[in-house]
Amino acid sequence: GAVVSQHPSWVICKSGTSVKIECRSLDFQATTMFWYRQFPKQSLMLMATSNEGSKATYEQGVEKDKFLINHASLTLSTLTVTSAHPEDSSFYICSALQRPEQFFGPGTRLTVL
Amino acid sequence: SQKIEQNSEALNIQEGKTATLTCNYTNYSPAYLQWYRQDPGRGPVFLLLIRENEKEKRKERLKVTFDTTLKQSLFHITASQPADSATYLCALGANDYKLSFGAGTTVTVRA
Repeated sequence: GAVVSQHPSWVICKSGTSVKIECRSLDFQATTMFWYRQFPKQSLMLMATSNEGSKATYEQGVEKDKFLINHASLTLSTLTVTSAHPEDSSFYICSALQRPEQFFGPGTRLTVL
Repeated sequence: SQKIEQNSEALNIQEGKTATLTCNYTNYSPAYLQWYRQDPGRGPVFLLLIRENEKEKRKERLKVTFDTTLKQSLFHITASQPADSATYLCALGANDYKLSFGAGTTVTVRA
């Protein structure tokens, strides 16, 4: 149980384009999901908390207009990186909360050219 | 500011030995602490959770201790195997369920 999927697993895009990443909890309902970013050899950094049916809350320093989060159902949250730039290249990981544990997706590698 | 330190960046041990990893934290009062395993290019996999009022937890060959006075958690892998080679992350949990992660310790188990 407690399986979380992410799609796509990797994506390459041109600078200025937008990219959408999906996070799904496959065998449980998650009212809360989290989005993280991880740069090489660094720790996971929490970007935002996604709550089903309400607006996401963002951590300090994370631009909410750049990283759009939608949590439209109890099993799906999406992260859209708008007008992506090379500095947005990173490993994006979501997690779904099954209190108090978080179960993580396999991650999405974003490369912006 | 809050700080989470995992003892070393890398740990190399012989198969069959016990690996001991340390997680120290400052300026933080976590409600619970979790340990995760992360393989290269993959998301973290949940291993163990220990609450602030618990001293020790075990799961198969894994053992976690939590000392809120010392602000430290120890993570042990007994009878280590090459398949245990990975990066291990400690994460401190708050009452709002947000996690703050350490940078991780990469364990390599030699056959």
